Amino acid sequence: KAGVTQTPRYLIKTRGQQVTLSCSPISGHRSVSWYQQTPGQGLQFLFEYFSETQRNKGNFPGRFSGRQFSNSRSEMNVSTLELGDSALYLCASRLTGGIGELFFGEGSRLTVL
Amino acid sequence: ILNVEQSPQSLHVQEGDSTNFTCSFPSSNFYALHWYRWETAKSPEALFVMTLNGDEKKKGRISATLNTKEGYSYLYIKGSQPEDSATYLCAFYGDSWGKLQFGAGTQVVVTP
Repeated sequence: KAGVTQTPRYLIKTRGQQVTLSCSPISGHRSVSWYQQTPGQGLQFLFEYFSETQRNKGNFPGRFSGRQFSNSRSEMNVSTLELGDSALYLCASRLTGGIGELFFGEGSRLTVL
Repeated sequence: ILNVEQSPQSLHVQEGDSTNFTCSFPSSNFYALHWYRWETAKSPEALFVMTLNGDEKKKGRISATLNTKEGYSYLYIKGSQPEDSATYLCAFYGDSWGKLQFGAGTQVVVTP
């Protein structure tokens, strides 16, 4: 059974650009959530999608957005990139919503120059 | 601002020794506590999902306890092995659907 797949794994952007990250969940999983990790910080919750609907959103500016497609694949987009957006972005899926364990991808490492 | 605190931030353990570390979380609006192990260059993997006060979970040499009334959980590693080297994360479900709050982690290094 394939795990959570994130693409691209590494990318470099410059300030002001935008970026789109993709996440394919485990087959059958309907919930996808996104987290940001920066040095010295724990994983910061960005948002969670379930059945194409955003169920919850973390404390991030509106430059961070996401969506989920009918096949449960998800994308997140960051517009007008800032240096502080450099981070590891992790996607996680689970079967349903609620409090169940998360299955993480390996992450997309974004560097903003 | 992290409502979930983990201590210590890091620890070094000799192979064969046992160790434990703490996760503190808000004692109100408790839904669940998760523990994850995150090895370098890999994805975080779930160890335990704990929901009830007094819960004790075990997986091999690793075990965890939960006290929801006072807001803490302990993770224990018995007879540490080099393959136990990883960052251990705890995460707390409070009052929001899907919003899992992670601690900063405890980095464990086991030396032979």
